Amino acid sequence: GAVVSQHPSRVICKSGTSVKIECRSLDFQATTMFWYRQFPKQSLMLMATSNEGSKATYEQGVEKDKFLINHASLTLSTLTVTSAHPEDSSFYICSAGGTSGYLHEQYFGPGTRLTVT
Amino acid sequence: AQSVTQLGSHVSVSEGALVLLRCNYSSSVPPYLFWYVQYPNQGLQLLLKYTTGATLVKGINGFEAEFKKSETSFHLTKPSAHMSDAAEYFCAVSDRPSGNEKLTFGTGTRLTIIP
Repeated sequence: GAVVSQHPSRVICKSGTSVKIECRSLDFQATTMFWYRQFPKQSLMLMATSNEGSKATYEQGVEKDKFLINHASLTLSTLTVTSAHPEDSSFYICSAGGTSGYLHEQYFGPGTRLTVT
Repeated sequence: AQSVTQLGSHVSVSEGALVLLRCNYSSSVPPYLFWYVQYPNQGLQLLLKYTTGATLVKGINGFEAEFKKSETSFHLTKPSAHMSDAAEYFCAVSDRPSGNEKLTFGTGTRLTIIP
């Protein structure tokens, strides 16, 4: 149990376009989902925390108008990178957790590699 | 505020040798501690976690870690390294056990296994 998927696994987009990344909890309901960004050979940086049905809480320094997060249901959260630029190229990882039986840890998705050309 | 320090960004051990990855934390409240492993181009997989109770925690793949409050440490060990252990390892801390709480990660340690 406790499987989290991300789609797509890899995406290449042109500078100036927007790209949406989906994070789904496949076999449990996630009241909370987290979005992380990871640069090559570096640690994970938390971008934002999203709770189902409410606005995401962004970490300091993360542009909320650029990284749009929606958590419309207990199994789906989306991250939209708007007007992407090459510096947005990164590995984006989501995690989920929070509901009964899944309280004690976060479950991570496999990540999405975004390349902006 | 919480923080995690992982000493040694790169660790190399011979196959069959002891693996020791170091993690020290800072927390104003009793911490909940985690070790995750990441293989190339993949997400994170939980190796083990400490919440409360027994301070020696056993995880998957033969790994274990010991919570030492006096030393504010949570080092990860494995008695005998296997080639498949080569990966990036992250220590993390939160102030509650809940999946609702954000994790603070260390900078990671890349483990290389020498044949």
